[in-house]
Amino acid sequence: KAGVTQTPRYLIKTRGQQVTLSCSPISGHRSVSWYQQTPGQGLQFLFEYFSETQRNKGNFPGRFSGRQFSNSRSEMNVSTLELGDSALYLCASSLWRGSDSPLHFGNGTRLTVT
Amino acid sequence: QKEVEQDPGPLSVPEGAIVSLNCTYSNSAFQYFMWYRQYSRKGPELLMYTYSSGNKEDGRFTAQVDKSSKYISLFIRDSQPSDSATYLCAMSGGTSYGKLTFGQGTILTVHP
Repeated sequence: KAGVTQTPRYLIKTRGQQVTLSCSPISGHRSVSWYQQTPGQGLQFLFEYFSETQRNKGNFPGRFSGRQFSNSRSEMNVSTLELGDSALYLCASSLWRGSDSPLHFGNGTRLTVT
Repeated sequence: QKEVEQDPGPLSVPEGAIVSLNCTYSNSAFQYFMWYRQYSRKGPELLMYTYSSGNKEDGRFTAQVDKSSKYISLFIRDSQPSDSATYLCAMSGGTSYGKLTFGQGTILTVHP
């Protein structure tokens, strides 16, 4: 069974640009969450999607947004990039929406903002 | 104060040693406790998943949860060089579905 697939693996952007990251969950998984990982802050929750609706959101500015499609695939977008947005962006999927459904992570997209 | 505290290490042990990794937390709503392993340039991989207090064993790995002390542990027996990675504790509870609160991660090196 294929795991969570994230594309692209690496991205280099300049300040002010915008970027879109893609995530394909494990087959049959319906909930998708996004996390940002940095050396200083560790793993921080961005948002969670289920049934094409954002259900939960972390403490990130509105420049960070996402969406989920009917096939559960998800994208996240960051507009007006800042140097501090350089991070590993991780997508995770779970079977259903509940604390009893463990998250499985992809290998992430490494975003570098110059 | 962070909701979840984890000693970042680094921790260096010889092959075959027993490794103990620990996290403390402050949020009483946490009911689900996880340990993830993350290799360099990879995403976190789920190792152990437990609910509420107690022990859970899977091969060389044992997870312990003590909710009264707000303390969780992961033990690795007969550690191998392939266990060298960053270990992350994570927790969830209440209605914050999809949202895990992570520790900072402990860097473990097992040398032959």
